[in-house]
Amino acid sequence: AQKITQTQPGMFVQEKEAVTLDCTYDTSDPSYGLFWYKQPSSGEMIFLIYQGSYDQQNATEGRYSLNFQKARKSANLVISASQLGDSAMYFCAMSAASHSGNTPLVFGKGTRLSVIA
Amino acid sequence: DAGVIQSPRHEVTEMGQEVTLRCKPISGHNSLFWYRQTMMRGLELLIYFNNNVPIDDSGMPEDRFSAKMPNASFSTLKIQPSEPRDSAVYFCASSGGADGELFFGEGSRLTVL
Repeated sequence: AQKITQTQPGMFVQEKEAVTLDCTYDTSDPSYGLFWYKQPSSGEMIFLIYQGSYDQQNATEGRYSLNFQKARKSANLVISASQLGDSAMYFCAMSAASHSGNTPLVFGKGTRLSVIA
Repeated sequence: DAGVIQSPRHEVTEMGQEVTLRCKPISGHNSLFWYRQTMMRGLELLIYFNNNVPIDDSGMPEDRFSAKMPNASFSTLKIQPSEPRDSAVYFCASSGGADGELFFGEGSRLTVL
């Protein structure tokens, strides 16, 4: 069975600083996908970034990057130049197959990020 | 493009009443997922469909919960009878891309008194 672990219930970061949100995963599948979602206080789930297990390079999307360390089974999210609007709950998730839709995601418990001015 | 549309956004009902949550997935997406979010249990998969066919309903808590997808553009999640412990935010999501990214609706917040 797949499992996602986010060990940081809450984090604080100063505005304009970088922050790393931790995520470790467990799976016996050779192919899988890793995702990060943001949930602001308004409640919607916003997709941020995706990494396939066979992707050679770490994924980047604007200020978001995914530090993928396959041997350590970690997929940490790095947010550079934090902004007040980054304050939200962040969820790490994984799917059973890489680059293959139609499978559900398993989510971690989330990390609440607070950006301080 | 319209995203995933859920209704109602908020529902307050009394224990024992029937609740029906509705979802319209993104056009062209062939997978639909129902999740429930609570503080205690986080985001849990209830059921998902591929091409309108239920694939895995092992997350459905009990027989009081049922879900249908009569066509590619509509799905319902029904709770009958509802109980206070069913209070949660219910999300519908759809997927159709190669990476498997889920697109979520805004959620339906259910409160059972």
